[in-house]
Amino acid sequence: KNQVEQSPQSLIILEGKNCTLQCNYTVSPFSNLRWYKQDTGRGPVSLTIMTFSENTKSNGRYTATLDADTKQSSLHITASQLSDSASYICVVRAQTGFQKLVFGTGTRLLVSP
Amino acid sequence: SQTIHQWPATLVQPVGSPLSLECTVEGTSNPNLYWYRQAAGRGLQLLFYSVGIGQISSEVPQNLSASRPQDRQFILSSKKLLLSDSGFYLCAWARTEGPQHFGDGTRLSIL
Repeated sequence: KNQVEQSPQSLIILEGKNCTLQCNYTVSPFSNLRWYKQDTGRGPVSLTIMTFSENTKSNGRYTATLDADTKQSSLHITASQLSDSASYICVVRAQTGFQKLVFGTGTRLLVSP
Repeated sequence: SQTIHQWPATLVQPVGSPLSLECTVEGTSNPNLYWYRQAAGRGLQLLFYSVGIGQISSEVPQNLSASRPQDRQFILSSKKLLLSDSGFYLCAWARTEGPQHFGDGTRLSIL
């Protein structure tokens, strides 16, 4: 069964600190992996996409990594800001199947002043 | 630029009442359109998707239906709502392999 698991479920950090969010998946055959940011009461917004051949990709203070062998991805946030408070959702696209996009349950991040 | 609109933002309905949620997309043509439900503590569940006018796909048995009367309009409906239909409903559009662009969602509460 295709699944995406994220950890931690929730996280509180002080403003200015770094943090790393984890995503493990069992989706096969793998197509790509995206990280989305979802502000409270809003729809998710794509941050970055990782394909099979990519190991690291950055988008400003966000850096995503992918290890296709171990089926793990991480999202590292550098120098956190209050506006980073949101849920971060890992989404893996399968090559086949009705629901090709398999969504993780997200990590809820709170950046405290 | 492309935009996606969903309404209403919140809705409170009694059990057994009908439902109609509307989603429209601007700035693009022939998008793939999606309806998702997001339950607390769970990942998004795909309810329906559409690759063109009148074309609706779903593999999840449910109390809901979807229609696409126009290229950039996607409607989620129910004839009789159940308590279990409560949740956060998200509409999205995408190109085949591109990112999902989500609306701001409708929070549906069934009483």
